[in-house]
Amino acid sequence: GAVVSQHPSWVICKSGTSVKIECRSLDFQATTMFWYRQFPKQSLMLMATSNEGSKATYEQGVEKDKFLINHASLTLSTLTVTSAHPEDSSFYICSARVPRLAGGETQYFGPGTRLLVL
Amino acid sequence: AQSVTQLDSQVPVFEEAPVELRCNYSSSVSVYLFWYVQYPNQGLQLLLKYLSGSTLVKGINGFEAEFNKSQTSFHLRKPSVHISDTAEYFCAVDNTDKLIFGTGTRLQVFP
Repeated sequence: GAVVSQHPSWVICKSGTSVKIECRSLDFQATTMFWYRQFPKQSLMLMATSNEGSKATYEQGVEKDKFLINHASLTLSTLTVTSAHPEDSSFYICSARVPRLAGGETQYFGPGTRLLVL
Repeated sequence: AQSVTQLDSQVPVFEEAPVELRCNYSSSVSVYLFWYVQYPNQGLQLLLKYLSGSTLVKGINGFEAEFNKSQTSFHLRKPSVHISDTAEYFCAVDNTDKLIFGTGTRLQVFP
């Protein structure tokens, strides 16, 4: 149980284009999903918290107009990197959990999406 | 602010030897503690977690961790490692609805 998938697993795009990454909870309903960014040989940095049906909460320093997050259903959240540039190249990982009152203290992570912007 | 310290960036060890990966956290309130493992080019997999109760927590793949409130530590241990345990290990704390990760420890198991 508690499987989270991401699609695509990796993507290469040209500078200036937009890229959408999907995060799905396959066997549970995730009221909250999180988006992280990981640079090579570094830890995960939280970008934003996404609650189903409401606007995402972004961490300080993360541009909300550049990293658009949509959490339209209890099993799907999307991250769109708009007008991507080479400095946006990174490993993006999502996680999902059930409501905290329902035992949702644990985040389950997707396999990650590697983005390379040329 | 919450913080998590993993003092060892790399831990080399021979196969079948015991290993301990250290984790210390800063918090004056109750926290949830987690250890995750990350294999190359993959997401994070939950190894074990401490929420409450017994301070010795057993996880998958033969790992265990002990919560020590007085020392604010949550060290990860395994009595005998395998080559397949080679990976990056992250300690994390949650008490404000977010996970704060340590910088990670690279466990390298040699034959």
